[in-house]
Amino acid sequence: AQSVTQLGSHVSVSEGALVLLRCNYSSSVPPYLFWYVQYPNQGLQLLLKYTSAATLVKGINGFEAEFKKSETSFHLTKPSAHMSDAAEYFCAVNPGGFKTIFGAGTRLFVKA
Amino acid sequence: GAVVSQHPSRVICKSGTSVKIECRSLDFQATTMFWYRQFPKQSLMLMATSNEGSKATYEQGVEKDKFLINHASLTLSTLTVTSAHPEDSSFYICSARVPGGRQETQYFGPGTRLLVL
Repeated sequence: AQSVTQLGSHVSVSEGALVLLRCNYSSSVPPYLFWYVQYPNQGLQLLLKYTSAATLVKGINGFEAEFKKSETSFHLTKPSAHMSDAAEYFCAVNPGGFKTIFGAGTRLFVKA
Repeated sequence: GAVVSQHPSRVICKSGTSVKIECRSLDFQATTMFWYRQFPKQSLMLMATSNEGSKATYEQGVEKDKFLINHASLTLSTLTVTSAHPEDSSFYICSARVPGGRQETQYFGPGTRLLVL
């Protein structure tokens, strides 16, 4: 069975500091992995996705994530947080079928 | 890029009435659309997979007679919440898969906020 675990329902960082949002997955087959961002009262926007090409994936807004098979992780990072990064972030896994499974989400707070 | 719209963006209705939510793929034809439900401060829960020209596939625990899904065309899927109750109040989000693209790529609509009084 496939599953996604996001460590930490809330993460708070200062503006300009490193952002690290953790995601671990479980999949019986090589998965496709995603990070989505959701702003209040809006749908989901794709930040980046891993599809078995390069293990370090660069996305929009300066975010990137590294696929580590040995650790079954796909953590999201950004070197310098901006106030506009405050949002809910979802990690998701798709084992190659139709269904995408979402993590519980991590709310990112950015302090001035 | 692929754009998915939803209408209405928010709706308030009385208990016992039915509400229809539309999901449209604006610049592509979507043979498969997905309907999700999101409670406050929670993740997305897949309700059903909508297939053009055939019956929707519902997830376990989702009442198919309460949440009617129709995917009559390649650009439109509708979700009708029948006899709505306050506990149906939630944020409903649809997504669509681009045909011919990688199966895992979905594009999400902006969501519909439903409040049942």
